[in-house]
Amino acid sequence: GDQVEQSPSALSLHEGTSSALRCNFTTTTRSVQWFRQNSRGSLINLFYLASGTKENGRLKSAFDSKELYSTLHIRDAQLEDSGTYFCAADLGFASALTFGSGTKVIVLP
Amino acid sequence: GPKVLQIPSHQIIDMGQMVTLNCDPVSNHLYFYWYKQILGQQMEFLVNFYNGKVMEKSKLFKDQFSVERPDGSYFTLKIQPTALEDSAVYFCASSSRTGFGNTLYFGEGSRLIVV
Repeated sequence: GDQVEQSPSALSLHEGTSSALRCNFTTTTRSVQWFRQNSRGSLINLFYLASGTKENGRLKSAFDSKELYSTLHIRDAQLEDSGTYFCAADLGFASALTFGSGTKVIVLP
Repeated sequence: GPKVLQIPSHQIIDMGQMVTLNCDPVSNHLYFYWYKQILGQQMEFLVNFYNGKVMEKSKLFKDQFSVERPDGSYFTLKIQPTALEDSAVYFCASSSRTGFGNTLYFGEGSRLIVV
């Protein structure tokens, strides 16, 4: 089965509201990265975490290596937050990242 | 932030022909990766490369695929011959290290259409 389980697969939220995405890992995870893929297909680095939490503007991410999950919170959503969000885990395999299946986020006016 | 450049951004090619996708990684990075993304699906690891050698490769890295970085120039993915199922966006990534602190930076992808 998938080693990185991402949920939800899709999310619609209105401007100004908040929501959270989650990734569960089925095996030991050294670190996690979060990306947003825009409509052109570009992957934008959002966070790298080996533990704890990080915040950048209206985005906040947490990684719990013991409980094997990571979250990404979007606060006060804006239209430009729309895109597909991916978590990606360093599972110790070739130092490559194993990606989740993505969450398609649509922010509505 | 650090930039990974990919050339070409798009290519249409006849099935059976050869294609080379080029990647210019972040300048001081030593580890290089290729990922494949079929439209609307997740990113799938293909291969990673360090010190002139393939370190690991996935089942998706078929015998028709090869990678190299001659003399510190572009890191390339060559597919020969191409097949219809090779149509996808191929992303190159690089990182400066492995293990703790290993942050990958991705290019904008090369969209390959095999007809």
